[in-house]
Amino acid sequence: GAVVSQHPSRVICKSGTSVKIECRSLDFQATTMFWYRQFPKQSLMLMATSNEGSKATYEQGVEKDKFLINHASLTLSTLTVTSAHPEDSSFYICSARDQEGRGLYNEQFFGPGTRLTVL
Amino acid sequence: LAKTTQPISMDSYEGQEVNITCSHNNIATNDYITWYQQFPSQGPRFIIQGYKTKVTNEVASLFIPADRKSSTLSLPRVSLSDTAVYYCLVGSGAAGRRALTFGSGTRLQVQP
Repeated sequence: GAVVSQHPSRVICKSGTSVKIECRSLDFQATTMFWYRQFPKQSLMLMATSNEGSKATYEQGVEKDKFLINHASLTLSTLTVTSAHPEDSSFYICSARDQEGRGLYNEQFFGPGTRLTVL
Repeated sequence: LAKTTQPISMDSYEGQEVNITCSHNNIATNDYITWYQQFPSQGPRFIIQGYKTKVTNEVASLFIPADRKSSTLSLPRVSLSDTAVYYCLVGSGAAGRRALTFGSGTRLQVQP
């Protein structure tokens, strides 16, 4: 149990296009999901907190108009990178916590990540 | 959230025990200590969590001294497949709706 999936796992796009990444909790409900970005050889950096039914909360320095987040249901959050540029190329990872409290204290379940390459 | 400090990298050989220590001097009373493992191009995977003393599961052991200002992840008899980055995180359950804050992690390289 407690599986989080992401789609696509890998995407290559041209500069200026938009890319949507989906994050799904497969066997639990999550009112809150988190989006991270990870550059090569670096740690995970939190981008935003996605809240079901309300606006996302963005970390300082993350452009909300560029990284659109929609948390349409208790099992799905999407991240859209608008007008992507080569500097947006990165590994995007989402995580979620079971709102019913499964898992250990504050345990979060991570998706497998999405590798975005912008040409 | 408490800041953590870990060695940047460690090297080991197959079959050896590996101990990775994490410092968290300003850990709060309600904070738990959690370790995650990350392979290249994959999301982090939960390894173990503890509050005090010792915790052991099928994968690792976690040792936490009485003052809780540090913790040590112990991996018994590592194999090549244990080559990964290991993250130590500190936080409270009350922050369950908050994201986890990742430090730099420890890059473990296991050699034959």
